[in-house]
Amino acid sequence: EVQLVESGGGLVRPGGSLRLSCAASGFTFSTYGVTWVRQAPGKGLEWVSSISSTSLYIYYAESLKGRFTISRDNAKNSLYLQMNSLRAEDTAVYFCARQQGGADTELDYWGQGTLVTVSS
Amino acid sequence: QSVLTQPPSASGTPGQRVTISCSGSSSNIASNYVYWYQQLPGMAPKLLIYRNNERPSGVPDRFSGSKSGTSASLAISGLRSEDEADYYCASWDDSLSGQVFGTGTKVTVL
Repeated sequence: EVQLVESGGGLVRPGGSLRLSCAASGFTFSTYGVTWVRQAPGKGLEWVSSISSTSLYIYYAESLKGRFTISRDNAKNSLYLQMNSLRAEDTAVYFCARQQGGADTELDYWGQGTLVTVSS
Repeated sequence: QSVLTQPPSASGTPGQRVTISCSGSSSNIASNYVYWYQQLPGMAPKLLIYRNNERPSGVPDRFSGSKSGTSASLAISGLRSEDEADYYCASWDDSLSGQVFGTGTKVTVL
């Protein structure tokens, strides 16, 4: 069974940093691209970043470039999102999702999400 | 802000057919596949439609997708109470080099 489990969320002050993790199981992680999507409270889905299976191709939402960094460790079946200079508007549930193919393909499995709250 | 536009709400009685539209542009829907996701209250999104009109295994054939030009649609026929959820369209945007999601549509079963 495909499983994606996010962790690392929590309360952080504005300007602070946080590193999210996503542990994958039930499939050969090293052969799939993965994506982060976030959802602010009561709002819609927003694509954050995608990374290919070998980390060769990385994409970011324009508004997040320079503050967020996506990475993966295929030996640990894990995906990461390093978030720096956090702002109140970064408050959201962050989901990791598996891409069926390249970054332009469907997200066929999703984790349950981890909540990030940016507040003083 | 979302690049793809959806109506904020749609509703119907059990058994009815409901259609949700998704409006985009030449850089996304017109030149790439459209995907649809269903998000039940308090849950993670779930893939409902891929490659414009394909259903993953386990998704009832009551759900169907279509695409024409810069727009796409999701139809739910034989509406059921368990279909109450938020629905999002998505596509790749060539200009932004990223995925874009629709604004989302809340479906209510009356």
